[in-house]
Amino acid sequence: DTGVSQDPRHKITKRGQNVTFRCDPISEHNRLYWYRQTLGQGPEFLTYFQNEAQLEKSRLLSDRFSAERPKGSFSTLEIQRTEQGDSAMYLCASSLGTGAQETQYFGPGTRLLVL
Amino acid sequence: AQTVTQSQPEMSVQEAETVTLSCTYDTSESNYYLFWYKQPPSRQMILVIRQEAYKQQNATENRFSVNFQKAAKSFSLKISDSQLGDTAMYFCAFMKDPTSGGGADGLTFGKGTHLIIQP
Repeated sequence: DTGVSQDPRHKITKRGQNVTFRCDPISEHNRLYWYRQTLGQGPEFLTYFQNEAQLEKSRLLSDRFSAERPKGSFSTLEIQRTEQGDSAMYLCASSLGTGAQETQYFGPGTRLLVL
Repeated sequence: AQTVTQSQPEMSVQEAETVTLSCTYDTSESNYYLFWYKQPPSRQMILVIRQEAYKQQNATENRFSVNFQKAAKSFSLKISDSQLGDTAMYFCAFMKDPTSGGGADGLTFGKGTHLIIQP
């Protein structure tokens, strides 16, 4: 068990460009969550997957954001036409998702800076 | 919608002292989980302790314990014998029970308390 991993750890992009982040959850964890954390704030929920199905999306997830989890393993989060307000830490978490096992384990995050 | 409030933006104590971090929440859910997470500087979020709302007994993990007051919707974290490595942002978080209907919304976090342990 190597924990949740995220790639890249840092991304600098110019406004208007598209970016994609990857998250690899703990193996056998069937729930996967994406959060966004801005400086000085707690993380905010964006979306979550139960296996390959995206079951919930926050109002924060505008139509420029899309997330996938093909085959129910790793997940990608894409931001199209990035804006300066998208600058944040993007966190991924996974959980076993079996009732009592709802504890989410977080990855190190991808820090995005939009210039 | 749930809200989580942490009223102490920053706290500072001497090493070996005991410190209590406050957290209150608001929800209409009856089944839920509460968590404290620790985020050291430039490092990832780590679970400190969790509490199921249906359990009356307060959770403990070594030097960490909680005071869960369900009626008051309060969930404070006590750190005993504080150590330099406890310096971090501490986030209180709420999650409704996904099996209780309506699916999961993920964790709702407070704004955090920056805890500084002084040598």
